[in-house]
Amino acid sequence: SAVISQKPSRDICQRGTSLTIQCQVDSQVTMMFWYRQQPGQSLTLIATANQGSEATYESGFVIDKFPISRPNLTFSTLTVSNMSPEDSSIYLCSSRAVSGDTQYFGPGTRLTVL
Amino acid sequence: GIQVEQSPPDLILQEGANSTLRCNFSDSVNNLQWFHQNPWGQLINLFYIPSGTKQNGRLSATTVATERYSLLYISSSQTTDSGVYFCAASSGYSTLTFGKGTMLLVSP
Repeated sequence: SAVISQKPSRDICQRGTSLTIQCQVDSQVTMMFWYRQQPGQSLTLIATANQGSEATYESGFVIDKFPISRPNLTFSTLTVSNMSPEDSSIYLCSSRAVSGDTQYFGPGTRLTVL
Repeated sequence: GIQVEQSPPDLILQEGANSTLRCNFSDSVNNLQWFHQNPWGQLINLFYIPSGTKQNGRLSATTVATERYSLLYISSSQTTDSGVYFCAASSGYSTLTFGKGTMLLVSP
């Protein structure tokens, strides 16, 4: 099984600022993903982080708002840019070794935007 | 993409009771997982079960892939079982699509 860590675990930010969330997996994985969970809601996929190339974004999410990097097989970052109170959510990093394999989740980053 | 529906949306139990949570999915899957999100937000893997039956202590799960549903059984529920239970499924190389969850409250 993969162990995923995220930093920071929580943050309170002012509107208009940006926050970068780091995700580290303890083993090399093929797939890394970023999800958002708004208060009281289910998880929604933001994007698939691709190693060495641009992330693949889901409908409703754009690179200018959520730039993602993945420089290697074990590390990825998600930036939430120009934040507004509507961005207050839990952001979760996830990984999977191969298609059809168990998908694991990090502990999440709880973001509050004032 | 694949659609995932969970029922019931909410469930209240007395400690010691048994329950069954259901997950319907719209297409054939090569990955189906059950998660428990505790009150602190941590998402915990319960089962990876694209088909068949598995058991882990008081929890068990069954997926009938040909009929496109999965069931999660909780026996002798405890207050620590409270939280939200999510079913998530994917097909091919796609990532997991989550259902809306079942919120479970177990009272003493």
